[in-house]
Amino acid sequence: DVKVTQSSRYLVKRTGEKVFLECVQDMDHENMFWYRQDPGLGLRLIYFSYDVKMKEKGDIPEGYSVSREKKERFSLILESASTNQTSMYLCASGDRMKTTNEKLFFGSGTQLSVL
Amino acid sequence: AQTVTQSQPEMSVQEAETVTLSCTYDTSESDYYLFWYKQPPSRQMILVIRQEAYKQQNATENRFSVNFQKAAKSFSLKISDSQLGDAAMYFCAYSSTQGGSEKLVFGKGTKLTVNP
Repeated sequence: DVKVTQSSRYLVKRTGEKVFLECVQDMDHENMFWYRQDPGLGLRLIYFSYDVKMKEKGDIPEGYSVSREKKERFSLILESASTNQTSMYLCASGDRMKTTNEKLFFGSGTQLSVL
Repeated sequence: AQTVTQSQPEMSVQEAETVTLSCTYDTSESDYYLFWYKQPPSRQMILVIRQEAYKQQNATENRFSVNFQKAAKSFSLKISDSQLGDAAMYFCAYSSTQGGSEKLVFGKGTKLTVNP
C-alpha cells in the first residue's frame, strides 16, 4: 500500500516562527499536493508539485511556500506563522501514469496551532 | 474555475437505513472525474467511489452508489444499510482530465452521523 507520511500529527508554534511541515511518499509518485482543511470550508489547495523542483500555486498560496528537492519529499513552509494559519494541513500524492483510478493518497494530517 | 457545492453541512441516519448526500458542481469541461472521499475521526482520507464523466452508468461499490446526472451537474452519494462505521465527514471532489495532475477541487463536506 502507498504510504504518505506527515512528520507531525500535532504542532504548536508561536506567531512569527518559521514552520516546516514535511511530507514523504514511498510510491515514486510524480505529483504531490498540500491542502488546508478548515471546518465549514472543506479542503483548499495551497500548492502542488508535478516534478522535482517544480511547483505551482493552488487557490490559497499567500503566506506559504514549498520545496521539493527530492521526488519523495514535499515540504510546506510558513515563513512567519500567523494565528490565521492555525488549521489542519493534509499532504497528498498521486500519479496518473501509475494509478488506474485517479486516486490521491493522503497523509494523516498535521493539526497546526499558532499561538 | 471549477466549483463543488455540498449543501448539507450535516446529515443523520438510523443504522441499517439509507441516506443520500448531495453534491453539485460547476464546470465548462466535458470530461472529468468525480469522487466521494470519507474522512473518519482518524483524519485519514479514504476514497469511497469514483465516477468518470464520459460513462453514463452510475458507479457502485458495495453499499455505496452514486446518482450521476451530467446535464444537471449533480453527483449524489447513496449509502445503503448504514453502519456505525460510516459515521464520518464526506467530501465530494472534482478532477479535470486536462493536464498531468490529478488536482482535486473539494466541496465543504457533509458530516454524517449514524444513530444506533
